[in-house]
This record gives sequence, structure tokens and C-alpha cells, in this order.
Amino acid sequence: QLQLQESGPGLVKPSETLSLTCTVSGGSISSSSYYWGWIRQPPGKGLEWIGSIYYSGSTYYNPSLKSRVTISVDTSKNQFSLKLSSVTAADTAVYYCARRARDGMDVWGQGTTVTVSS
Amino acid sequence: SSELTQDPAVSVALGQTVRITCQGDSLRSYYASWYQQKPGQAPVLVIYGKNNRPSGIPDRFSGSSSGNTASLTITGAQAEDEADYYCNSRDSSGNHLFGGGTKLTVL
Repeated sequence: QLQLQESGPGLVKPSETLSLTCTVSGGSISSSSYYWGWIRQPPGKGLEWIGSIYYSGSTYYNPSLKSRVTISVDTSKNQFSLKLSSVTAADTAVYYCARRARDGMDVWGQGTTVTVSS
Repeated sequence: SSELTQDPAVSVALGQTVRITCQGDSLRSYYASWYQQKPGQAPVLVIYGKNNRPSGIPDRFSGSSSGNTASLTITGAQAEDEADYYCNSRDSSGNHLFGGGTKLTVL
């Protein structure tokens, strides 16, 4: 059974870079059928798509975050990662990683809370 | 700009049928997927494609689409269906977006 697990610091200082990793277990990140993505949810608010990556490294980013976001993949470790630069309090959220099949995000991680505060 | 619009809140009596809608220009070209999220939990995919349910999703959940509107219908709503529901689709650039979410209350 495929599982995704987010990891990374729970507290990041303003203006610094948020870095998270999603580890995929029970399946290969190199499958040609899927993209791998990041989604976030600020406290009490809705879901926001951050971006997606294919195992080859091809990426799509939310236009509103594109200037600050980098998503990368490490197929040897079966992981993909998120970097969000120049963070502010508005970036405080639960961050989810998910597998995206052609028509939907069918497997999600449990989410990890990241707080931006000095 | 691309966006998906959902009603913030909908209520339904126990056992009755409820439709949750999602409007957006991208829905004229691409299917919506629907996600159920209960408090403190990760979202769960409930409908994808034309009208497909992942394994384990009850058949009281169904999806449809017409023009720029996608709909999630729950036929015979149960107490455990009370949750937030989000639609998601893509645009022509390959970017994805979520609707603002609908809070479903089962009375």
C-alpha cells in the first residue's frame, strides 16, 4: 500500500527558506503514471495547490507562488522535496504531499504543520 | 484568471440528497475531482474523472458536469458525510487549482 510521509522543520523564521521532504513508500516514485505534488492549508482556510513534479523532473508551479517555489525529486531515495523562499507569516500552514494520477490526487500524506515565526 | 467557485456552506437532512457545485471556466475543458476533508485529517479523493469513485468510497457519492459547472451529489446523506468538500481541476497550462470549499452540515 502506497504511503507518503512529509518531514521537515515545524518552525521557520521570517525571510528564511521552508524546506520539506515527502518520502514515498510501498511504491516507486519513478512510475510513469503519476505526478507528485504539494498542497497547503492555512489555519481555518481552504486548500491551495503549490506545485507538482514528474519523476523526470518536469514541474508545474502555482503562478502566485512560482517566484519562491522549487520542487525537486530524488528517485534514488524515492523522495521529492519542496523549498519555499522568503517566507512570511502568510506561509504558516499544514503542508501536504500527494500523488496525482491523471484525474485526481489519490494518495495523500498526513500533513505537517509549518509555522513561520521569529 | 482561473478560479473555481463553491458555495461556502450547504446543509442537508439526514437521508436526503444534496448537491455541491463548483463553477469555473476550466471545467468546460477538464473534469473536476472532489475531496472530502474532516477536521484534523488529510483530504480524501471521493470522485474523479467523468464519475469515478476510488475503492472504498460509498456509491452514494456521484459526480456530474455541465458547461462550466461540476457537481458532487450525495444521495442519502449520512452523519459521517459531514465534512468540508473541495473541487479541483486544472487549467490549459497544466496548473491545478482548488475551489474555496463547501462545509456540509448533515441535520
